[in-house]
Amino acid sequence: DIQMTQSPSSVSASVGDRVTITCRASQGIRNFLAWFQQKPGKAPKSLIYASSSLHSGVPSRFSGSGSGTDYTLTITSLQPDDSATYFCQQYDSFPLTFGGGTRVAIK
Amino acid sequence: EVQLVESGGGLVQPGGSLRLSCAVSGFTFSDHYIDWVRQAPGKGLEWVGRTRSKTRSYTTEYAASFKDRFTISRDNSMNSLFLQMNSLQTEDTAVYYCVRSPYNNYYFDYWGQGTLVTVSS
Repeated sequence: DIQMTQSPSSVSASVGDRVTITCRASQGIRNFLAWFQQKPGKAPKSLIYASSSLHSGVPSRFSGSGSGTDYTLTITSLQPDDSATYFCQQYDSFPLTFGGGTRVAIK
Repeated sequence: EVQLVESGGGLVQPGGSLRLSCAVSGFTFSDHYIDWVRQAPGKGLEWVGRTRSKTRSYTTEYAASFKDRFTISRDNSMNSLFLQMNSLQTEDTAVYYCVRSPYNNYYFDYWGQGTLVTVSS
């Protein structure tokens, strides 16, 4: 199974700050990498697929990048509505696997 | 509007069975892969399994942990997906989500709201 390691596990930042979350796969996943946002008590929301493609309606302050085993989710100019937990997921091979999550809090 | 609505969750005793449903609308059900993903209380996301589209003969995949106990099926006439869960254990307590992939793609786009399964005596 491909292990997905996210870091940091939590981050606290101010409104307007730039936040970067990293996801490392235990083997290359050919950009088959997705990011999700989840708020307490709610279902996850799809943000990014194919490492860097934004789903419709996702604000442009979210961006993704990476290749091989290392991927990044960046939130430029953090907003209060961005307070949530973020998960990465690889869909290169079965079983599909998720990172452990990164909790983003607003200072 | 694309919608996926799960139902069937509830309290079940250890060793028991439960069947979850996922009713979909707003898209052609047979054209899409649909997955089940679960989340234990306070924990991360865990992939359960997938049913593929008509062009892929509705074949299924499962995570190894569930292959012998859980079965995914679909009723295309009812636009519904099912997850039959047998031999449930306390560690199966979780919110279960059904999730869609776009046509001819493998990544997730739309999620249901989830249904809570509690396994307890």
